[in-house]
Amino acid sequence: EVQLVQSGGGLVKPGGSLRLSCAASGFSFTTAWMNWVRQVPGKGLEWVGRIKSKTDAETTDYAAPVKGRFTISRDDSKNTLFLQMDSLKTEDTAVYYCATGGFWGQGTLVTVSS
Amino acid sequence: DVVMTQSPLSLPVTLGQPASISCNSSQSLAHSDGNTYLNWFQQRPGQSPRRLIYKVSYRDSGVPDRFSGSGSGTDFTLKINRVEAEDVGVYYCVQTSHWPPWTFGQGTKVEIK
Repeated sequence: EVQLVQSGGGLVKPGGSLRLSCAASGFSFTTAWMNWVRQVPGKGLEWVGRIKSKTDAETTDYAAPVKGRFTISRDDSKNTLFLQMDSLKTEDTAVYYCATGGFWGQGTLVTVSS
Repeated sequence: DVVMTQSPLSLPVTLGQPASISCNSSQSLAHSDGNTYLNWFQQRPGQSPRRLIYKVSYRDSGVPDRFSGSGSGTDFTLKINRVEAEDVGVYYCVQTSHWPPWTFGQGTKVEIK
């Protein structure tokens, strides 16, 4: 069974940092291109960024609103995906999902507020 | 970026009746590899999105056959043959033909009349 189990998240002040994790199982994580998607509560879905597999040089791409502030990485030895979020803004408040193709994590809420 | 536009944004339906959601893209989603990467997701209240349809018309495992997808180029449709109570939620189209980024439609809220 494919599982993406997320951890991290919580309340952080503007300008602060937070790291989200996504532990994968049930599929070949090492060959998967992994994504982060976010959703402001009650609103639509917004793609945040992607990391390719090691064989594709672990290339990353980011949405314009987070470029330069967020960093996606992966640890294939632990089948885990990460999202490092720095210089957080109030508008980054959202539920963050890790996703690959048709499989999504359970989501984790990040609240940026003073 | 490709802009995805869904209609309607709200869809009240009667149980057992059909429902249809349209999704238009700002440019053709035909990929150079011959595929068209248009997906449909369902998000039930309080849940993560769940993919129903990939590459326009392929149903994911476990998805009831009352769901079907069709279309090509820039015009796509999700149909629910006979709406059931468990189908309540928000439906999103998303393109992955021209990414990054994935781009999502605004979402269509399906509710029971």
